[in-house]
Amino acid sequence: NAGVTQTPKFQVLKTGQSMTLQCAQDMNHEYMSWYRQDPGMGLRLIHYSVGAGITDQGEVPNGYNVSRSTTEDFPLRLLSAAPSQTSVYFCASSYSLGNQPQHFGDGTRLSIL
Amino acid sequence: RKEVEQDPGPFNVPEGATVAFNCTYSNSASQSFFWYRQDCRKEPKLLMSVYSSGNEDGRFTAQLNRASQYISLLIRDSKLSDSATYLCVVNTGRGSQGNLIFGKGTKLSVKP
Repeated sequence: NAGVTQTPKFQVLKTGQSMTLQCAQDMNHEYMSWYRQDPGMGLRLIHYSVGAGITDQGEVPNGYNVSRSTTEDFPLRLLSAAPSQTSVYFCASSYSLGNQPQHFGDGTRLSIL
Repeated sequence: RKEVEQDPGPFNVPEGATVAFNCTYSNSASQSFFWYRQDCRKEPKLLMSVYSSGNEDGRFTAQLNRASQYISLLIRDSKLSDSATYLCVVNTGRGSQGNLIFGKGTKLSVKP
């Protein structure tokens, strides 16, 4: 059972480049989310989805897009990378929105030069 | 008042010590509470859920005080392997509604 799988684990981008962070889960969870974690800031919610075809913004959505075409996958897109998006990104999934613990992927470390 | 607040620490304790962390939350409608553990450069992992009557899992005890809007985590007989950052997590709404809000974490370092 793979759980939540994130790719890539590390990435370096130049300012203005675009890329997609992949996230897949094999637990048939309806709820998936993306967080970023910065020193001294804790985990902040970027976008989330309560099921296939449904997405919504979290606390810090600017500069990011998401889609949820299947239950399993929830990619995060950076359209035009900025140095302020240098961070560690975590994808998580759970059975429901707010009353079940979330299972995290092992993160993507992203540096924007 | 921030939604979820924790003492950042670090808490430096010797092996075998008992250590307690507190966390306060601002939303009185919150109904789901968790403690997560995060090791350096790793993902957060669920340590335990926190129930209204309090709950225990081995050396770990979690308590909830709704009136004062805080939760606590007690670790007894600390081990070197307990060294990590402990995240307090609270949902923002009633029942299954609302997202989970993560505290910034409390760092624990257990020394020999």
